[in-house]
Amino acid sequence: QAQLVQSGAEVKKPGASLKISCKTSGYIFTSYAIHWVRQAPGQAPEWMGGITTLNGNTKYSQKFQGRVTMTRDTTANTAYLELSSLRSEDTALYYCARLTMVLTFDTWGQGTMITVSS
Amino acid sequence: DIQMTQSPSSLSASVGDRVTITCRASQGIGNSLSWYQQKPGKAPKLLLFAASRLESGVPSRFSGSGSGTDFTLTISSLQPEDFSTYYCQQYKSPPYTFGQGTKLEIK
Repeated sequence: QAQLVQSGAEVKKPGASLKISCKTSGYIFTSYAIHWVRQAPGQAPEWMGGITTLNGNTKYSQKFQGRVTMTRDTTANTAYLELSSLRSEDTALYYCARLTMVLTFDTWGQGTMITVSS
Repeated sequence: DIQMTQSPSSLSASVGDRVTITCRASQGIGNSLSWYQQKPGKAPKLLLFAASRLESGVPSRFSGSGSGTDFTLTISSLQPEDFSTYYCQQYKSPPYTFGQGTKLEIK
């Protein structure tokens, strides 16, 4: 059974960067892309982008272009999200999710709470 | 970007009721629409995709319809575990946008 386990909650200062990991198990890592979705408190989910785990190709939402980097380590079956120049509006629960062939997010991580505060 | 608008934002209903949630896309998306259920503090759970296809393991009381710009999610007979927030999401073209959500509460 596919499982995605994310790194723990963090508190960051404005202007800092974050890096979240998403460790996968229970399936062939390179067979599915990993995408990142964040959800601010009381808000709808927001798609940030994704990485094709086979070749490392990325697709980012224009909103985060220039601040976001998604990478993967195929030897560790793990994907990573980096976001720089953090501001208070980046306070959110960040999820990784597996993208299926029919473009659905069928398996999700448990979420990583990021709080940006001075 | 394709905007997704859900209605209503909130809905009160009773166990056994039939409820319908509507989702409208700002431009045609064919049938590239998913519905997710989310409980507090949990990740979204996929219910339906391709507008009307039920994800494996999801009860048959959930159904979806629509194409183009207008879509509906129907729950035929509400069960206690169905009281959650529901989101539609388009995957016709990135950014893959979500609706603002419909919170389904117990009357």
